[in-house]
Amino acid sequence: EAGVAQSPRYKIIEKRQSVAFWCNPISGHATLYWYQQILGQGPKLLIQFQNNGVVDDSQLPKDRFSAERLKGVDSTLKIQPAKLEDSAVYLCASSPLAGSYNEQFFGPGTRLTVL
Amino acid sequence: TQLLEQSPQFLSIQEGENLTVYCNSSSVFSSLQWYRQEPGEGPVLLVTVVTGGEVKKLKRLTFQFGDARKDSSLHITAAQPGDTGLYLCAGYLNTGTASKLTFGTGTRLQVTL
Repeated sequence: EAGVAQSPRYKIIEKRQSVAFWCNPISGHATLYWYQQILGQGPKLLIQFQNNGVVDDSQLPKDRFSAERLKGVDSTLKIQPAKLEDSAVYLCASSPLAGSYNEQFFGPGTRLTVL
Repeated sequence: TQLLEQSPQFLSIQEGENLTVYCNSSSVFSSLQWYRQEPGEGPVLLVTVVTGGEVKKLKRLTFQFGDARKDSSLHITAAQPGDTGLYLCAGYLNTGTASKLTFGTGTRLQVTL
């Protein structure tokens, strides 16, 4: 079974530029998550989708971050404009269902460096 | 403020030693998970504990969930270089419409020969 795919793996941009990340979850997984992991910290949930609807985006900085999952399968996360503090690894995860006991399957992440 | 605090933050030990990592919170979790993350990869689930006081063993790893479901520990017996990585605890909180997974601060373990 193929895992969660993310691209690009690395991205370097200058502040105020825009960037987009792509995620393809495990086939059949209804729930998709985007996390931000700053160096030396645990991942922080940015947004959670159930199929193509948003379940939780309370920690998404909506003035600059946006995410969509139009057909309930793959997803994109965009930052516009980027700030220095956005430098982090952006992890995508998926699970078959949403719930308190579910395992989340993570992709390898996209490492973003903002100069 | 971090909801889940892990200690220690860093641990460097020699092969064969034992170690314990702690995960503490003032919140009650419906379940708690432990993940291991290697450089350049995403976290991988090790275990899920659900019941207060629950103990689970995975080969040389022993996981315990506190009686009040606010804390957890991970004990590794006879550590090996392959155990090197970032260990993350993560708790599920029910937030009404969704179950949200909150990660701890992480413990970076290095096991040397």
